[in-house]
Amino acid sequence: DADVTQTPRNRITKTGKRIMLECSQTKGHDRMYWYRQDPGLGLQLIYYSFDVKDINKGEISDGYSVSRQAQAKFSLSLESAIPNQTALYFCATSAQGGTQYFGPGTRLTVL
Amino acid sequence: GDSVTQMEGPVTLSEEAFLTINCTYTATGYPSLFWYVQYPGEGLQLLLKATKADDKGSNKGFEATYRKETTSFHLEKGSVQVSDSAVYFCALNNAGGTSYGKLTFGQGTILTVHP
Repeated sequence: DADVTQTPRNRITKTGKRIMLECSQTKGHDRMYWYRQDPGLGLQLIYYSFDVKDINKGEISDGYSVSRQAQAKFSLSLESAIPNQTALYFCATSAQGGTQYFGPGTRLTVL
Repeated sequence: GDSVTQMEGPVTLSEEAFLTINCTYTATGYPSLFWYVQYPGEGLQLLLKATKADDKGSNKGFEATYRKETTSFHLEKGSVQVSDSAVYFCALNNAGGTSYGKLTFGQGTILTVHP
């Protein structure tokens, strides 16, 4: 089984809808991250969490919120989706100072 | 703040050609450096890493040397294969700076290898 899983893998939604993307990990890491990937821009950090009670904004947090329900679970929400949030979204985990391990990604399309 | 700059792509090579993808960085302190690879339709996978100056990371025939004097971490492979076709990302992790250990990525370089 994969160490980092994301659901759903693909989602098409309409402008104004609320969307939640979920991430689970079995690596036992404290740190979890949400990234957005746009063509030609690499990955940009949306939010990161160093433990259940420590959540921080990344480079592009506007329009997004997160919830760290447990050490193993970190969800990303779009409260009111807009078309320019169409992108690939990746969750990642790491131990302190360690390598980040990525999930397979969620392809989100906002119409 | 921290930043990573990769050579512009895409890069197209014939099988068995030599590959270089340039990567330079700007960071305070002593970051760790990484190359990640993303195969079509998949997430990112760690390819190799180096944690201090002059370290060489290597994996699957790929190599990169941490050059602090030139702030570079260029990726090389002596003989590429069609299966190496992917997007390659250079990244840094600056646990000692103000970035609290987050990864900063370059924009990615698309590599296509033809038979």
